Amino acid sequence: DIQMTQSPSSVSASVGDRVTITCRASQDISGWLAWYQQKPGKAPNLLIYAASSLQSGVPSRFSGSGSGTDFTLTISNLQPEDFATYFCQQTNSFPPTTFGQGTKVEIK
Amino acid sequence: EVQLLESGGGLVQPGGSLRLSCAASGFTFSSYAMSWVRQAPGKGLEWVSTIRCCTGRTYYADSVEGRFTISRDNSKNTLYLQMNTLRAEDTAIYFCAKVSDSSGWHFDHWGQGTLVSVSS
Repeated sequence: DIQMTQSPSSVSASVGDRVTITCRASQDISGWLAWYQQKPGKAPNLLIYAASSLQSGVPSRFSGSGSGTDFTLTISNLQPEDFATYFCQQTNSFPPTTFGQGTKVEIK
Repeated sequence: EVQLLESGGGLVQPGGSLRLSCAASGFTFSSYAMSWVRQAPGKGLEWVSTIRCCTGRTYYADSVEGRFTISRDNSKNTLYLQMNTLRAEDTAIYFCAKVSDSSGWHFDHWGQGTLVSVSS
């Protein structure tokens, strides 16, 4: 199975900051990567698919990039509602599909 | 508006069984693959199973293969997960998720989840 490794595990940031989260795949997944945001007690919410495509309704301050094994999620101008945990998911080799372990964005 | 509403979770003893349901609305249920994803308390996301829309072909994580069965009733817009021989490590919130109509096996809508606790 393809392993997904996110870094950092957590990051402290302030409102207005730019935050970058990295996801690395254990093998080439082309551009088959999605990003989700999850708030405590809630279901995940799709932000980005196909590495860089913004899901409908998601603010444009969220962006994704990368291909092959290395991917990034960038949140520009961090807003109070963005403090949450973020997960990446590879969908290149299905089944299975696998998720990263998550990155918690906390208030500094 | 797409809505997914899970039910059927609860406390069950090791070795027991449980059937989860997911009632779907707001989209043409029969046209989309559907999945179950779980999250152990304080942990990350783990894909459990997927069923295709039209062939009904099913896929399972190794951790549940042979114990869990995914099914769907397109006439009732409902997804199911029959869970047998439950283990403590199956304790998790189980989310029902709709596979996106964009290319790729990502999930564009999720239910609120139902908690399954396996304990004696």
